[in-house]
Amino acid sequence: GAVVSQHPSWVICKSGTSVKIECRSLDFQATTMFWYRQFPKQSLMLMATSNEGSKATYEQGVEKDKFLINHASLTLSTLTVTSAHPEDSSFYICSAGGGTGVNEQYFGPGTRLTVT
Amino acid sequence: KQEVTQIPAALSVPEGENLVLNCSFTDSAIYNLQWFRQDPGKGLTSLLLIQSSQREQTSGRLNASLDKSSGRSTLYIAASQPGDSATYLCAGNTDKLIFGTGTRLQVFP
Repeated sequence: GAVVSQHPSWVICKSGTSVKIECRSLDFQATTMFWYRQFPKQSLMLMATSNEGSKATYEQGVEKDKFLINHASLTLSTLTVTSAHPEDSSFYICSAGGGTGVNEQYFGPGTRLTVT
Repeated sequence: KQEVTQIPAALSVPEGENLVLNCSFTDSAIYNLQWFRQDPGKGLTSLLLIQSSQREQTSGRLNASLDKSSGRSTLYIAASQPGDSATYLCAGNTDKLIFGTGTRLQVFP
């Protein structure tokens, strides 16, 4: 149980275009979802926290107009990178809370974004 | 603000050795502490989660301990194998997960 999927697993896009990444909780309802970013050889940095039906809370330094997060249902959250630039190239990982584990997050497999 | 650090940053050992990976955190008001494994270019695999009321958790050759008062956790790997080679991350949970800097482990035959 507590499986989280992400789609796509990797994507290449041109500079200036927008990319949408989906995060789904497959077998439980995720009241809260989290989005992380990981640059090469660095640890995960939390970008934002989203609760179903409400606006996301962004961490300091993360541009909310650039990284649009939608958490419209208890099983789906999306991250849209708008007007992507090469410096947005990174590994994006989502996690979901609300499974059987108390205060536990379940992680998706990640999405590799390359902006050319 | 929670800060999580891990020592050592990298470790290279022959197989069979018993290993200790260290994690320290500044905010002791954590709900739990979690250890993850990450293979190159892959997502996270959860290894062990220790609730704040617990002292340790064990899974196979892995044992993780938690000392909230000193802000420390250790991951003990017994009889290391080449398949254990990966980056190990710890994360403290205080309404959000704050990840450590990671320990890159290489176990050679």
